[in-house]
Amino acid sequence: QVQLVQSGADVKKPGSSVKVSCKASGGTLSSYSISWVRQAPGQGLEWMGRIILMFGVTDYAQKFQGRVTISADKSTTTAYMELSSLRSEDTAVYYCAREMSHYMDVWGKGTTVSVSS
Amino acid sequence: EIVLTQSPATLSLSPGERATLSCRASQHISNTFLAWYQQKLGQAPRLLIYAASTRATDIPDRFSGSGSGTDFTLTISRLEPEDFAVYYCQQYGSSPMYSFGQGTKLEIK
Repeated sequence: QVQLVQSGADVKKPGSSVKVSCKASGGTLSSYSISWVRQAPGQGLEWMGRIILMFGVTDYAQKFQGRVTISADKSTTTAYMELSSLRSEDTAVYYCAREMSHYMDVWGKGTTVSVSS
Repeated sequence: EIVLTQSPATLSLSPGERATLSCRASQHISNTFLAWYQQKLGQAPRLLIYAASTRATDIPDRFSGSGSGTDFTLTISRLEPEDFAVYYCQQYGSSPMYSFGQGTKLEIK
């Protein structure tokens, strides 16, 4: 059973960038897509974008267009989400999740990103 | 953009009772594109139901999904202590590609 192992928590200054990784353990992701979903403190789930690993094709939510870059290293079965121009409102837990058709069936445990001066 | 509205925001019930959670879409959604997740405090979401009514792997049969068009329902037939959590519905297909409802918190009465 594949698991998604995410990088550790990070603290960033406003205006900087953060890059979160998501590595598959116990299986391969090559035929799947990986989505990134974030959750601000006490709030709901917000989809940011995804990458179709086989083709390297990405789709982003309009809200994050221009600020988010999702990439992947097929050789290491690791996906990445980089968010730039960070502001305090970007403080959240960031999850990666494997897409299966039209839903997300395997989730990472989440990476807490705090943005503070 | 399709907006998902979940109700109620909070549902207070006792173990053993039946829970009925609603998810209403602002536009028609194919059943194929509607899923439900459970999230416990400090944990990642967990897939419960996909394609509106299909239970995910290892999900107990007390969880069931139903509905079509714009109205969808998650039912928990008899609540267990571990079922008290926040539940989200999710749709696929309309910009943004995925969107979630705001969640229903199921709390112990």
